[in-house]
Order: sequence, then C-alpha cells, then structure tokens
Amino acid sequence: ETGVTQTPRHLVMGMTNKKSLKCEQHLGHNAMYWYKQSAKKPLELMFVYNFKEQTENNSVPSRFSPECPNSSHLFLHLHTLQPEDSALYLCASSPGQGFYEQYFGPGTRLTVT
Amino acid sequence: AQSVTQLGSHVSVSEGALVLLRCNYSSSVPPYLFWYVQYPNQGLQLLLKYTSAATLVKGINGFEAEFKKSETSFHLTKPSAHMSDAAEYFCAVSDRTDTDKLIFGTGTRLQVFP
Repeated sequence: ETGVTQTPRHLVMGMTNKKSLKCEQHLGHNAMYWYKQSAKKPLELMFVYNFKEQTENNSVPSRFSPECPNSSHLFLHLHTLQPEDSALYLCASSPGQGFYEQYFGPGTRLTVT
Repeated sequence: AQSVTQLGSHVSVSEGALVLLRCNYSSSVPPYLFWYVQYPNQGLQLLLKYTSAATLVKGINGFEAEFKKSETSFHLTKPSAHMSDAAEYFCAVSDRTDTDKLIFGTGTRLQVFP
C-alpha cells in the first residue's frame, strides 16, 4: 500500500449503530487530519493530530470520536449519528515540521439512514 | 485569519482552450498557497504549491499558478484543456504561524467540452 488509505470506502449505517472509519498513512508523516466534505459546502476540518496528540477539535459533536494510536493510524468512531452527518469523510496526512502540504486518502462515503 | 475565495463555482471550456481558475486569498502574513484537484469519488490530489520561492509555480498535468502579492491572487492556468481535466479544483492557504491547518476555498468545478 502506498500513500493514504481509508476503509471502508462506503458505509451505510442507521442512527443507532456504532461504526468506525480507519485511515492509514504509509508516508512517514507526523500529522493526520479528518475532514468532512458535504455537498455545496466548503471542506470542514474536524480534527488534527500531531505526533499522536490532538491539536485541533473544530467544535465537532461528541458523536464523532477520533483516536490516534500512533502516527500512522487514525480512526473516527461514530455513534448515534444524524442524517445530516451523511458526507464524504476524508483523511489526510502531512509531514509537519515546516512542510504544510497535506496528502489525502480516497475518502469514506457515509450514508446515515 | 486567513481565507480563500474562489470566483466561479463552475467553469466550462472547450477541449484545447485555456483554463483559468481564480483564487484570491486573505492573509495577514505571507502565506503558503496550494491547488488541489478532486476527481469523482476520490480524495484531493496536490497539483502544486507556493512556498515563497519562485512566484510562477509549475505543477502536475501541465498546470501552473502565479503568486501575485499585489493582487492577493494565486490563479491556476493550463494552456490547453484536456477532457481528463474535468474535475473539482480547490485552492487552499496555510498560515506559516499556524502550521497545522489548511483553509480551503469552496471549489470550482471544471467542465471540458469536446
């Protein structure tokens, strides 16, 4: 595997389900990000992790819970979601330390029914 | 705080025509600037970046962008559009004092007609 991978690519879940999104980066980067991309809205930054420490939480509802066990893996745990949470969830990584470009995974298309 | 404005949510060109996608930024300090492309059902791919070296930046797939401080612009161009260029394009800015974040524009969807 190369770059940033995300699983699953598609997920349909009910409002009472619990599921997790997984992201893995194979680039040796130090920072990882979760974004939400909804139709007709700008890309929304949700969480930032730098060297496994959370450095940003953009007022995200508690039904989204991130986890970063190491610099290569990032999870987004989902529970009791709402239909308006349906979106494309993108993971990205960045080298950090003076290099700011971010590299994105293919995303998980989430549908909440 | 930084912000990015992309003028035109949709741009249509004929194959072989010039592509011009506009991006203006607002930043209190010299920024880093980026263009990303997103094809359907895919993530964002970095096209090019400006990090205060040359003001004319060349990227992948024949795209280039010019940083113009006086106009606070970073427009993306390609001399001759190809059908495969049809995608959504995002401009982004990073504040050198807040290195964790990129601020993205709302995107411009490029259509290429034969």
